[in-house]
Amino acid sequence: GAVVSQHPSWVICKSGTSVKIECRSLDFQATTMFWYRQFPKQSLMLMATSNEGSKATYEQGVEKDKFLINHASLTLSTLTVTSAHPEDSSFYICSARTSGDYEQYFGPGTRLTVT
Amino acid sequence: QQPVQSPQAVILREGEDAVINCSSSKALYSVHWYRQKHGEAPVFLMILLKGGEQKGHDKISASFNEKKQQSSLYLTASQLSYSGTYFCGTGNDYKLSFGAGTTVTVRA
Repeated sequence: GAVVSQHPSWVICKSGTSVKIECRSLDFQATTMFWYRQFPKQSLMLMATSNEGSKATYEQGVEKDKFLINHASLTLSTLTVTSAHPEDSSFYICSARTSGDYEQYFGPGTRLTVT
Repeated sequence: QQPVQSPQAVILREGEDAVINCSSSKALYSVHWYRQKHGEAPVFLMILLKGGEQKGHDKISASFNEKKQQSSLYLTASQLSYSGTYFCGTGNDYKLSFGAGTTVTVRA
């Protein structure tokens, strides 16, 4: 159990375009989803927390208008990187937890490359 | 605030033991341990919620010293599959801050 999927696994896009990444909990209801960013050989940096049906809470320094997060249902959250630039290239990972549990289960990640 | 992990890296031969430490300057309410292999997402290992709690799975175990605001992960009789980067995550209210990671390399 506790499987989280992400789509796509990798994406290459041109500078100025927008990219949407999906995060799904396959066998449980994710009341809370988290979006992280990870640079090579570095730790996971929390970008935002989203609860189903509510607006996402962004961490300090994360641009809300650039990284749009939607948590439309208990099994799906999306991250849209708008007007992507090369510096947005990174590994984006989502995680999900269900109400009452402390564990976070991570998706396989999406590698974004902006050219 | 990010917890501090030590050591940054460790190289082991199969069968050897290692300890990874995770400490925080703030009070710890929970400590989560994850292992990440290159190019993959982190995999949940275990969570410790109470001071004095110890947990284990196979030959990987962890302890949580609430007073010292630290946790330790123990790799016993390491196997090749233990290679990866280990992260501790600390926090409350379900939001976690992750340490910089400890890279473990197990060699035959």
